[in-house]
Amino acid sequence: EDQVTQSPEALRLQEGESSSLNCSYTVSGLRGLFWYRQDPGKGPEFLFTLYSAGEEKEKERLKATLTKKESFLHITAPKPEDSATYLCAAEGSGGYNKLIFGAGTRLAVHP
Amino acid sequence: DADVTQTPRNRITKTGKRIMLECSQTKGHDRMYWYRQDPGLGLRLIYYSFDVKDINKGEISDGYSVSRQAQAKFSLSLESAIPNQTALYFCATSAGTGATTVRGRETQYFGPGTRLLVL
Repeated sequence: EDQVTQSPEALRLQEGESSSLNCSYTVSGLRGLFWYRQDPGKGPEFLFTLYSAGEEKEKERLKATLTKKESFLHITAPKPEDSATYLCAAEGSGGYNKLIFGAGTRLAVHP
Repeated sequence: DADVTQTPRNRITKTGKRIMLECSQTKGHDRMYWYRQDPGLGLRLIYYSFDVKDINKGEISDGYSVSRQAQAKFSLSLESAIPNQTALYFCATSAGTGATTVRGRETQYFGPGTRLLVL
């Protein structure tokens, strides 16, 4: 059964304290691994898509990486405005754009 | 203006009532989706539609129905609402066939959500 697991469930950081969020997946024939940011009361906002192991993408303080079993979202020198829930989703070879979502990691960055 | 809009944003209803949640998009995308989000769980797919004539059940379709009135509109109905349908509901869209690039057309873009409470 296709599955996506995110850890930790919640993470509290001090401003400037770098860390990583983990997304482990068991999906047949990964077609894409997606990262979204979700603010309270809002819909998920697209961040990155990774397609193959070894691929990396960056946006401001965020960097996403992908291996054959997991993806990491690295947050470098975070700021309070980075506080949000980060969602990971995988599309398998069953395809048809059917995404399997993890439960998310709630990130709180304190000044 | 937002590319994907949902109405209403909040709804309180009673058990047994029929309600409809609506989604509209101006992105010109062919594919539309309905998800629900519950605390501690990932987003779960209810229904998806690849064009006006193509509608498919997702992971948790029981108790729900949908209508694709046009390329830009996709509605979700709860025929007889029950308390365990209390959740956040999100509509999403993605470009399907006809996009100019292959990679990227699968990216799903989400609306702001509808918070539903069934009493």
